[in-house]
Amino acid sequence: DAKTTQPTSMDCAEGRAANLPCNHSTISGNEYVYWYRQIHSQGPQYIIHGLKNNETNEMASLIITEDRKSSTLILPHATLRDTAVYYCIVMETSGSRLTFGEGTQLTVNP
Amino acid sequence: GAGVSQSPSNKVTEKGKDVELRCDPISGHTALYWYRQSLGQGLEFLIYFQGNSAPDKSGLPSDRFSAERTGGSVSTLTIQRTQQEDSAVYLCASSWLGGLYEQYFGPGTRLTVT
Repeated sequence: DAKTTQPTSMDCAEGRAANLPCNHSTISGNEYVYWYRQIHSQGPQYIIHGLKNNETNEMASLIITEDRKSSTLILPHATLRDTAVYYCIVMETSGSRLTFGEGTQLTVNP
Repeated sequence: GAGVSQSPSNKVTEKGKDVELRCDPISGHTALYWYRQSLGQGLEFLIYFQGNSAPDKSGLPSDRFSAERTGGSVSTLTIQRTQQEDSAVYLCASSWLGGLYEQYFGPGTRLTVT
């Protein structure tokens, strides 16, 4: 699976949008981009995934660049409960395991 | 509905003892995964089940680790002759069919080997 690169940490003010970037420059055509998050002392939680089109669900939006070499996870109105480590993961269509990197520690401040 | 459950939530054991960790996946999910999370290694994959078969067990760190799944449901991860480096949070996840379907994680079992 392609390697991903994320900033180590980010801060966001409560109520503002949180934009979390991810670079996956070696992604191949059959690999999807997944986002999970892990709130302290809990198991990881699925957020969203996509192939090449932008995606939106009740939790977040995923913007994937046209060349698919990077993506951005957007939490439109961050709350204190969104403080967590966010993982960007690339997985091929035939894959199964999730390969977690270091992720981004997002801290939402009041 | 009920999510993935794991037991025990915490386990303290002496070095050299065997331990069994249990995972109850979401009903109807055919795929089941084990991961572990330790301070030094982050979150790492251990084994993947599709039904009762394990097509990918490449993440098991040594032959002291084994896992089984019965009835396409409950899974048990067994660690024999535990070592201090086995101390970690062991996480189980399940998904509907595996592959691209999202994985739902349990709360984990915190294992401490003294």
